[in-house]
Amino acid sequence: GAGVSQSPRYKVAKRGQDVALRCDPISGHVSLFWYQQALGQGPEFLTYFQNEAQLDKSGLPSDRFFAERPEGSVSTLKIQRTQQEDSAVYLCASSLGQGLGDSPLHFGNGTRLTVT
Amino acid sequence: AQTVTQSQPEMSVQEAETVTLSCTYDTSESDYYLFWYKQPPSRQMILVIRQEAYKQQNATENRFSVNFQKAAKSFSLKISDSQLGDAAMYFCAYYYNFNKFYFGSGTKLNVKP
Repeated sequence: GAGVSQSPRYKVAKRGQDVALRCDPISGHVSLFWYQQALGQGPEFLTYFQNEAQLDKSGLPSDRFFAERPEGSVSTLKIQRTQQEDSAVYLCASSLGQGLGDSPLHFGNGTRLTVT
Repeated sequence: AQTVTQSQPEMSVQEAETVTLSCTYDTSESDYYLFWYKQPPSRQMILVIRQEAYKQQNATENRFSVNFQKAAKSFSLKISDSQLGDAAMYFCAYYYNFNKFYFGSGTKLNVKP
């Protein structure tokens, strides 16, 4: 596709429900990132994939958060037993190369998750 | 740890005038990249301008330019001839290596007609 696509655009979940957020990166992009953006804040790093390998998951806030990218393209961020503090915009970004110095990050429009 | 600080939560500028957004960062590295991203209500982060730390010359992109002061660890964004479409959240970001990419807390820019 022309850009990074994320779905759904909005998600409302009741506390305790599981949710799955999808990211379709730009075709051929090696690097894929997930960020969490709380209201009025800058994005915070969650996890990073290089192709299908999850090389860094240090930003995942708890073991309720899980991300995968099994075939090195589409990625899914799953949150189990959602809590109110999980309410945020979840941004996905991809990059052609492994380093970001010469291949910039391309962001999707994000998924706004509201946990009630 | 690397941190990025934007001390201006919100700013306003009159259409056609110039505004400067501030950013400071903390790092012990000598080679890194700095970025300004724009985030309109659509939520998509759009790259505005980038600066390589090893380059002394300040980056410019049309109406957007930066004042990069490496010793002071300062990276401000100047928007000239402000337009209504410039209204958005602006984020300063720092990139060092691999996946080390850090954002500031953002500055909301209002443009008054």
